[in-house]
Amino acid sequence: QQPVQSPQAVILREGEDAVINCSSSKALYSVHWYRQKHGEAPVFLMILLKGGEQKGHEKISASFNEKKQQSSLYLTASQLSYSGTYFCGTEVNTGTASKLTFGTGTRLQVTL
Amino acid sequence: NAGVTQTPKFRVLKTGQSMTLLCAQDMNHEYMYWYRQDPGMGLRLIHYSVGEGTTAKGEVPDGYNVSRLKKQNFLLGLESAAPSQTSVYFCASSGGWETQYFGPGTRLLVL
Repeated sequence: QQPVQSPQAVILREGEDAVINCSSSKALYSVHWYRQKHGEAPVFLMILLKGGEQKGHEKISASFNEKKQQSSLYLTASQLSYSGTYFCGTEVNTGTASKLTFGTGTRLQVTL
Repeated sequence: NAGVTQTPKFRVLKTGQSMTLLCAQDMNHEYMYWYRQDPGMGLRLIHYSVGEGTTAKGEVPDGYNVSRLKKQNFLLGLESAAPSQTSVYFCASSGGWETQYFGPGTRLLVL
């Protein structure tokens, strides 16, 4: 079953913040975040492991709530380059060939 | 390192024709995957492999076959293409302890 992402789409002005959520009905081992620009391959952003701490670099960070099986991606002071579709990929347990189930994506557009 | 490469980049098929998509990785990864991406559907796993000589079904395997004769290559075959298989196909690989790395994709149009 696919994880549920929200919102489906968001439009920001440059410099504004955004939060993208990913929820699963299953117990998760890890959550992976990717960004995909139009016509390109998904690019890895970060991975959050069960029992791990919040991760981030520069102005993009993420958290993982194990109790709720939810992850959130935080985009701070957005830049034009942040535009794209963001996907979360969830892994339900280890030892399963790192199989990921992806959400349907959140389309982010950053404007001037 | 080239990472993950896919051949061809774009292909047009007629209904009933067959074709093979090739994925190659130079990262010595054990795990390889084939996904299809359709508008509004995200990435859906077709088949995957946990090592040379092994394959397994993913979420949407019907109409596809795969082979992993060499560790670095993962082939996806369509025996009799249907319009419903029009999609963008992505290959990915993983070392198993980290995330997946994606190839550039193959756009397939079945008429």
